[in-house]
Amino acid sequence: NAGVMQNPRHLVRRRGQEARLRCSPMKGHSHVYWYRQLPEEGLKFMVYLQKENIIDESGMPKERFSAEFPKEGPSILRIQQVVRGDSAAYFCASSQTDTSNYGYTFGSGTRLTVV
Amino acid sequence: TQLLEQSPQFLSIQEGENLTVYCNSSSVFSSLQWYRQEPGEGPVLLVTVVTGGEVKKLKRLTFQFGDARKDSSLHITAAQPGDTGLYLCAGAKTNAGKSTFGDGTTLTVKP
Repeated sequence: NAGVMQNPRHLVRRRGQEARLRCSPMKGHSHVYWYRQLPEEGLKFMVYLQKENIIDESGMPKERFSAEFPKEGPSILRIQQVVRGDSAAYFCASSQTDTSNYGYTFGSGTRLTVV
Repeated sequence: TQLLEQSPQFLSIQEGENLTVYCNSSSVFSSLQWYRQEPGEGPVLLVTVVTGGEVKKLKRLTFQFGDARKDSSLHITAAQPGDTGLYLCAGAKTNAGKSTFGDGTTLTVKP
């Protein structure tokens, strides 16, 4: 009974390249959340998705960032033309319901380094 | 706008000491969660508190939710080196989907 799986664990990209981060939620969970964390800071909400739908993208930068959660396969967070300021840890969480009242199960994260 | 403020930001204590960390907000939440995060890993859920005034105990950890559901505290008795980590509080609102996180308290317990 695997938990939330994220890959890759570490990703190095040069400025201007694209980064693709993958998240497979826990079995039976259809709600996925992406958060970003800078060193020694808390998690900042980016986007909330259900299968084939973006529910809340209020935390997502308007340019270069996109997310999807297709009917089949993992959720993808895509960052185009990366810049050094995109360097951070990106965490995915999943839940069974559309409320975070019961807390999340997080993956181990993807650490993106832009050089 | 930082909706959840955690204090202190950093805390370094000796093994065996007691400590309390705080999570304060001007907003009312339907529930509040505490997570613990170790370096290189994702946050792990410790507890959810739902009712104003609620107190939950997990071994040496005591969590309290304020009567007005705006604030919370985490008290650790007889801290151990294994308690070292980043403690995060997160507030949830019904039908909002997302949670709002504080910036965390980094706890170091020295043997």
